[in-house]
Amino acid sequence: DTAVSQTPKYLVTQMGNDKSIKCEQNLGHDTMYWYKQDSKKFLKIMFSYNNKELIINETVPNRFSPKSPDKAHLNLHINSLELGDSAVYFCASSQTGDFNSPLHFGNGTRLTVT
Amino acid sequence: GQQLNQSPQSMFIQEGEDVSMNCTSSSIFNTWLWYKQDPGEGPVLLIALYKAGELTSNGRLTAQFGITRKDSFLNISASIPSDVGIYFCAGRRRGAQKLVFGQGTRLTINP
Repeated sequence: DTAVSQTPKYLVTQMGNDKSIKCEQNLGHDTMYWYKQDSKKFLKIMFSYNNKELIINETVPNRFSPKSPDKAHLNLHINSLELGDSAVYFCASSQTGDFNSPLHFGNGTRLTVT
Repeated sequence: GQQLNQSPQSMFIQEGEDVSMNCTSSSIFNTWLWYKQDPGEGPVLLIALYKAGELTSNGRLTAQFGITRKDSFLNISASIPSDVGIYFCAGRRRGAQKLVFGQGTRLTINP
C-alpha cells in the first residue's frame, strides 16, 4: 500500500544516454511534483503538475521533460545525460496545489551518471 | 530565489537530550512544514503549521509557527536513537504553488 512509489530506486548510466524515471501515487491527489536533491541534501523543485497540467517549471534544462499521462502518474524523461545530473530525484504529491496541502514524497531515485 | 535559512546545519547530542532547530525567511509564509529524512528514503512529514503563533505537537516533537510568519521552530524532547536523520523545514506562501525547503539539520545522537 505504498503511497508514492517511484522506479527505479537506483539508476547508473553513461553520459549522453537517455533515461526515464516513473512515479505513481495511489493517494488520489491532484498535484504531483519532481524535486532534485543534490549532494549537499538541498531539495529543489523542478516541476509540478496539477491534474495532468504543468503548473511549475523551474529553470531546468530542456533535456528534462516531465510527462503526466493521468493525475496518478508523473514520469521524468532525461535526454543526453550529463555528469551534473547525478543526484537523487524525488517524486511527491499533494491533495491540491494550495498552501495548506502538504507534500508526500516517494523514496527517491539515485541517478549516477558516469 | 526564495530561501529558507535553517540552523543549525548539524547537531551532535547525547541520547536523552532535548533538541531545538529553527528556520527563518525574509518573506512571509502561510504554511510551515517540518520533514524528517532517513538515509535512502524520502522526506516524511512530521508537523504542518498553518496559522501564525500555532504550536503543534506530534509525540515528542513540538513545532511553532512564528508570530511574524517569517520563522518556525522544531523541538524534540528526550531524544532517542531513531531520531537520527536530517530534518527539513519547508515553507509556502498563499497562492504560491512552490514549497521551498531549508538546507536541513543533520542530527546525530551518541548513545
